[in-house]
Amino acid sequence: DTAVSQTPKYLVTQMGNDKSIKCEQNLGHDTMYWYKQDSKKFLKIMFSYNNKELIINETVPNRFSPKSPDKAHLNLHINSLELGDSAVYFCASSHPGQPYGYTFGSGTRLTVV
Amino acid sequence: GESVGLHLPTLSVQEGDNSIINCAYSNSASDYFIWYKQESGKGPQFIIDIRSNMDKRQGQRVTVLLNKTVKHLSLQIAATQPGDSAVYFCAEYPNRDDKIIFGKGTRLHILP
Repeated sequence: DTAVSQTPKYLVTQMGNDKSIKCEQNLGHDTMYWYKQDSKKFLKIMFSYNNKELIINETVPNRFSPKSPDKAHLNLHINSLELGDSAVYFCASSHPGQPYGYTFGSGTRLTVV
Repeated sequence: GESVGLHLPTLSVQEGDNSIINCAYSNSASDYFIWYKQESGKGPQFIIDIRSNMDKRQGQRVTVLLNKTVKHLSLQIAATQPGDSAVYFCAEYPNRDDKIIFGKGTRLHILP
């Protein structure tokens, strides 16, 4: 059973389009995250939700909007996609007992053309 | 800016030898330091952590050393195997804001 699953795994789209990435975790974790990994492998946090409540919102363009319908799901919607949005997006989750021990999904490679 | 960085972007090690991956950090107030491993096409995977009040912690074939005097963190992998090929990230957890700050990553190549 996949602990943190993201869909789709690959996403190729044109500039200006709107797209969503979905994430689900079956670990019973309370906190979920979105990280962006650039071409140089640098990982940077975008958002964090705890029990459906937004707790971290880094300096991310407001074209990016996370949504957490319940604590097992954290989706990422991106409006008006730009070339610079091309990256791998990772969803992760953690539980209070080990808040730094994230479980990551396998990533969504977004390519904007 | 980010406070966690690595000395070497790429490390090549003979299979069977020990690997040492180094990391420098600047935030003395971080509560935990963590190592993650990212294999090709996968998400990062937690390897081992060390609390700031410790200087050494051992796991299975891995040892993390923390030198707070010089703000240095290292990951030692014993008897390196082909399956150890990956990008390794050091990270810090400041115990606030509930987020991990990742360093830039070191790619470990295993030579046959």
